[in-house]
Amino acid sequence: DGGITQSPKYLFRKEGQNVTLSCEQNLNHDAMYWYRQDPGQGLRLIYYSQIVNDFQKGDIAEGYSVSREKKESFPLTVTSAQKNPTAFYLCASRRMAAAYNEQFFGPGTRLTVL
Amino acid sequence: EDQVTQSPEALRLQEGESSSLNCSYTVSGLRGLFWYRQDPGKGPEFLFTLYSAGEEKEKERLKATLTKKESFLHITAPKPEDSATYLCAVQAPSGNTPLVFGKGTRLSVIA
Repeated sequence: DGGITQSPKYLFRKEGQNVTLSCEQNLNHDAMYWYRQDPGQGLRLIYYSQIVNDFQKGDIAEGYSVSREKKESFPLTVTSAQKNPTAFYLCASRRMAAAYNEQFFGPGTRLTVL
Repeated sequence: EDQVTQSPEALRLQEGESSSLNCSYTVSGLRGLFWYRQDPGKGPEFLFTLYSAGEEKEKERLKATLTKKESFLHITAPKPEDSATYLCAVQAPSGNTPLVFGKGTRLSVIA
């Protein structure tokens, strides 16, 4: 099945710890995105990447880091510098060709800081 | 700055009571407008893409329309399983920029 997978589904972290969220896609999509979703705030863009070994900050990049070493993978690290990391994290991807604008999402990872 | 505003924030309907959700945008030179459905605890599910004013798309009880300033998601004779949050997003003229999302409309359909 083609799609976007995120793991784990639920993640618990102690304060002061870094944690990495996984995102993998087998759709051969060029661009990948990380969003954070909090109640009443909609989707906020953390980082995105349109090509391997390159990525750009989104609206709320502070306290997060990413890498894009392979086209199909875009892991997100939530560092201890992120002040309020408890949230629902969504990964998305899309093709960059002009006729394909649709962006598809993974199932999400819910991170809770204890 | 490109803006997407969805209204109402929440909508409660009786089963069979048709209504519309609104998505207004300020991006100039719209390249695409997208509707998604999101169930609690899940990732958004793609519904429609609209590219130009006057365009309409339908899927089961849902129909999306687009004007130069806004889009409507019409829900005809809704059922309880249509309960979800509906998200709208726009694509700016440069195809390489990320989508800009609204905050969504939370729809509840009561049997």
